[in-house]
Amino acid sequence: GAVVSQHPSRVICKSGTSVKIECRSLDFQATTMFWYRQFPKQSLMLMATSNEGSKATYEQGVEKDKFLINHASLTLSTLTVTSAHPEDSSFYICSARRVAGVGETQYFGPGTRLLVL
Amino acid sequence: DAKTTQPTSMDCAEGRAANLPCNHSTISGNEYVYWYRQIHSQGPQYIIHGLKNNETNEMASLIITEDRKSSTLILPHATLRDTAVYYCIVNSGYSTLTFGKGTMLLVSP
Repeated sequence: GAVVSQHPSRVICKSGTSVKIECRSLDFQATTMFWYRQFPKQSLMLMATSNEGSKATYEQGVEKDKFLINHASLTLSTLTVTSAHPEDSSFYICSARRVAGVGETQYFGPGTRLLVL
Repeated sequence: DAKTTQPTSMDCAEGRAANLPCNHSTISGNEYVYWYRQIHSQGPQYIIHGLKNNETNEMASLIITEDRKSSTLILPHATLRDTAVYYCIVNSGYSTLTFGKGTMLLVSP
């Protein structure tokens, strides 16, 4: 399967600071990337979808000014959590898909665990 | 995308086959059945997907009923490392994958 990486794997930050998470597709070009969030003992929840070179589409209830997404190239998307607060502590997972087509598979990164103190 | 129903949890003895069922009675003709798993504190891992025919790869087999209203993921020889939450997802490939609660598979020695 295709490989998706995330960096960092875990981060601890102080309340009020910003944190950037990178997501890279290593061996394919991703026309679409997705960002999910997972709280303890819960399933993955989609935060936003981004297509290369265009603005991200956010799910209802996700603040676009707080969670800044940039999909500047076909292999890189970044999620910046601005002015992080303890309630933003979560497991953030990115996913990438080559082409929006029939039966195309989404591949997931290993996740980034964010702890805001 | 069609909704899926999976058991909350299942147990399996190491070395035995693990058969994970999934109901998707409202599946549309152009929708695929995808299976992913998530080992604790990791991102989801793609396992297999299929449309109508049964599929097999190095990880698992996918058996889809003729009416496509249900499917079974088979891990032929479960190991302790197969302990994970398994997600059955129905999707056309155009829209985003939506995760339900999945089945927590516990493989025991």
